[in-house]
Amino acid sequence: GENVEQHPSTLSVQEGDSAVIKCTYSDSASNYFPWYKQELGKGPQLIIDIRSNVGEKKDQRIAVTLNKTAKHFSLHITETQPEDSAVYFCAANVGNEKLTFGTGTRLTIIP
Amino acid sequence: DTAVSQTPKYLVTQMGNDKSIKCEQNLGHDTMYWYKQDSKKFLKIMFSYNNKELIINETVPNRFSPKSPDKAHLNLHINSLELGDSAVYFCASSQAGSGTPYEQYFGPGTRLTVT
Repeated sequence: GENVEQHPSTLSVQEGDSAVIKCTYSDSASNYFPWYKQELGKGPQLIIDIRSNVGEKKDQRIAVTLNKTAKHFSLHITETQPEDSAVYFCAANVGNEKLTFGTGTRLTIIP
Repeated sequence: DTAVSQTPKYLVTQMGNDKSIKCEQNLGHDTMYWYKQDSKKFLKIMFSYNNKELIINETVPNRFSPKSPDKAHLNLHINSLELGDSAVYFCASSQAGSGTPYEQYFGPGTRLTVT
């Protein structure tokens, strides 16, 4: 089955700097890679996703890159703000219904 | 308007009891899911229903039984609760489509504590 690894598990970044979270996946059939942000006491919130027919997608301060050959995808957050502090999860699909999640990255933005 | 809602938000109960968690989505989606998030924050799928039909059933003890009365609702019933069932349970929904995976939207979670 699909295996998704996520690094780092914790990340502290000075406010205004950039943050990068990396994931690798094992199943070459995966073609959908969402990223979720989970704030304390809340459910995961979809913030951006990428499909395998593109290599990069950007939405304001958030961007995701995908390297299908290497089976890597990454989340980039620029100009970080205190409200970016949360746990971030990457995921990869297995078929059309199932997502396998990474183990999460706790991002802390230092004011 | 809440897209995916769950009740209750908190549930504290004793070992051996039977409890249910309810989920409703108003997004018009065809597929609903139950996930379990353990104390280390690891998210793992338990079940998936598409139009009231069970699609995914991971290796979950048969004490857990999902029920979908209609495509907007997916409830989770747990029998004979054990300490290890303590976790946060999330409901999610997506618009299923043939040949392509769709975005999944999560509810706020139900924190279950078994004492």
